[in-house]
Amino acid sequence: DTTVKQNPRYKLARVGKPVNLICSQTMNHDTMYWYQKKPNQAPKLLLFYYDKILNREADTFEKFQSSRPNNSFCSLYIGSAGLEYSAMYLCASSSPGGFEQYFGPGTRLTVL
Amino acid sequence: GDSVTQTEGPVTLSEGTSLTVNCSYETKQYPTLFWYVQYPGEGPQLLFKVPKANEKGSNRGFEATYNKEATSFHLQKASVQESDSAVYYCALSEGSGTYQRFGTGTKLQVVP
Repeated sequence: DTTVKQNPRYKLARVGKPVNLICSQTMNHDTMYWYQKKPNQAPKLLLFYYDKILNREADTFEKFQSSRPNNSFCSLYIGSAGLEYSAMYLCASSSPGGFEQYFGPGTRLTVL
Repeated sequence: GDSVTQTEGPVTLSEGTSLTVNCSYETKQYPTLFWYVQYPGEGPQLLFKVPKANEKGSNRGFEATYNKEATSFHLQKASVQESDSAVYYCALSEGSGTYQRFGTGTKLQVVP
């Protein structure tokens, strides 16, 4: 099974409220990623976990949090959503040195 | 830093015609290059990858040659089908391949 699952598929949030997105994979991949995708823009890497080590991109460091309670699950947390957070959020995973990333179907977040 | 630039979409083609999606990249290292395809309602999935300069990758009738001198990796297909309608992403990965840099994607629509 090479699927990556994301929940929920659609999320509506109010400005200022927290948002928690969930991703899971059963491929025993050591690395899990979160990307933000807006229309006409490239998927933007927000952060990734290599095993238990979290790496966050410098320009999104304070905007997104994440946790990885076990190898299979990874969450993306927004403490206080703003309108600019409306986007598709893609989760992906990869195996050591595998280069290929396996993506989930995405969660479409709309902030009102 | 790294960057990937690809043909802006959308691109509309008739079935049976040829496709070229341009991809150019900038990097200071020696990347592995990828093409991903994303069908509606799904996440991106790997079409193929090419780790070495001057080699060609191919899958499902699509192909691209890693041109190190021109820093290009154009996607081609001789005869497109309606089922090829999707968004195509060019991407690169450096070193250990821990993360990848994506282009903005090119939406292809093939009409009968």
